[in-house]
Amino acid sequence: KAGVTQTPRYLIKTRGQQVTLSCSPISGHRSVSWYQQTPGQGLQFLFEYFSETQRNKGNFPGRFSGRQFSNSRSEMNVSTLELGDSALYLCASSAGTSGSSEQFFGPGTRLTVL
Amino acid sequence: GNSVTQMEGPVTLSEEAFLTINCTYTATGYPSLFWYVQYPGEGLQLLLKATKADDKGSNKGFEATYRKETTSFHLEKGSVQVSDSAVYFCALLYSSASKIIFGSGTRLSIRP
Repeated sequence: KAGVTQTPRYLIKTRGQQVTLSCSPISGHRSVSWYQQTPGQGLQFLFEYFSETQRNKGNFPGRFSGRQFSNSRSEMNVSTLELGDSALYLCASSAGTSGSSEQFFGPGTRLTVL
Repeated sequence: GNSVTQMEGPVTLSEEAFLTINCTYTATGYPSLFWYVQYPGEGLQLLLKATKADDKGSNKGFEATYRKETTSFHLEKGSVQVSDSAVYFCALLYSSASKIIFGSGTRLSIRP
């Protein structure tokens, strides 16, 4: 079974631009979660989608948004980029309908904002 | 609120040394507990987990026991290898929620 894939792996943007990151979950998985990893704040939960609906949300500003498609693929979008948005963005997928199902992580997208 | 605290790094050990990385948590109820590992340039991999008190998770020579009385989930390995060099994250997850709460991570370096 193929693992979680994320595209692109690396991205460089400038302040004020917007960016869209993509995540393809493991086949059959219906839940996709997004996390931001920075040296200062560590790993922080952004949001989770299940069957195209946002099921849970972290404490991030409205500039961070996401969506999930009928094939469970998910995208997250960050608008009006700030320098502090530079981070590794990790996507995780899980199989079950309960929130406690084991999550499998992708390799991440490293975003650099200049 | 719910949180996870793990020992500050970096931790540097010689090959074949005994490893302990401390992890304690603050939570209401009965979360599941995890250790994840992140190798350089990669995403997170689940190393082991425990879903209830007194459960012991184990994998690749690593072990951790869910101790409710001390709210701890310390990671141990009897004899570390250079290939164990990575960042280790302790984490918790509630059955009623879908977000993982991570500790700050502990960087482990093993000298040959």
